[in-house]
Amino acid sequence: EAEVAQSPRYKITEKSQAVAFWCDPISGHATLYWYRQILGQGPELLVQFQDESVVDDSQLPKDRFSAERLKGVDSTLKIQPAELGDSAMYLCASSFPGQGSEQFFGPGTRLTVL
Amino acid sequence: AQSVTQLDSQVPVFEEAPVELRCNYSSSVSVYLFWYVQYPNQGLQLLLKYLSGSTLVESINGFEAEFNKSQTSFHLRKPSVHISDTAEYFCAVSLTGRRALTFGSGTRLQVQP
Repeated sequence: EAEVAQSPRYKITEKSQAVAFWCDPISGHATLYWYRQILGQGPELLVQFQDESVVDDSQLPKDRFSAERLKGVDSTLKIQPAELGDSAMYLCASSFPGQGSEQFFGPGTRLTVL
Repeated sequence: AQSVTQLDSQVPVFEEAPVELRCNYSSSVSVYLFWYVQYPNQGLQLLLKYLSGSTLVESINGFEAEFNKSQTSFHLRKPSVHISDTAEYFCAVSLTGRRALTFGSGTRLQVQP
């Protein structure tokens, strides 16, 4: 069964360091999302891609976060520099482009910033 | 902007008892509605969704949810829960024409023997 892959699963870093997360969506899914889930809360959208183009990054803290999907397939989310408040689960999801299409989520990367 | 409220952060229930997990949303435009489930140490999985048509939608494992437009609610119900239903349940909405989801804060369902 096709799955969304994410790596690493866990990341511990010190504040002011740079971190990067990788996501490989399900083959054929043109739409890719990055969500952040703080402990005890629901996921919140950071950025949405349609193929290689950013559709929505209104909630992405652009002073420290960046995201790319250069070939319209896999994607990388980067934080530089990391802050204590960035500790969270970072979820990647993908879907077909139709409205109401199911989003398939990866297992997530749990980031701890010390 | 749309928002989702899940009033109950935790719902303890005994096995084979009925359960209702509440979800209310606010939006000035039409929305699609979803319930996602997150089992321990696993990713989010779609449980059921409402796009249009019949206001009552069902999942393959016995859950159902009813879209109530006048009350802006999409409560999740199951007539008899199992231990294996223990998980975190998230209600989510997306605006028609915009595919990103807005999630509620989640309800932890704890089924006790």
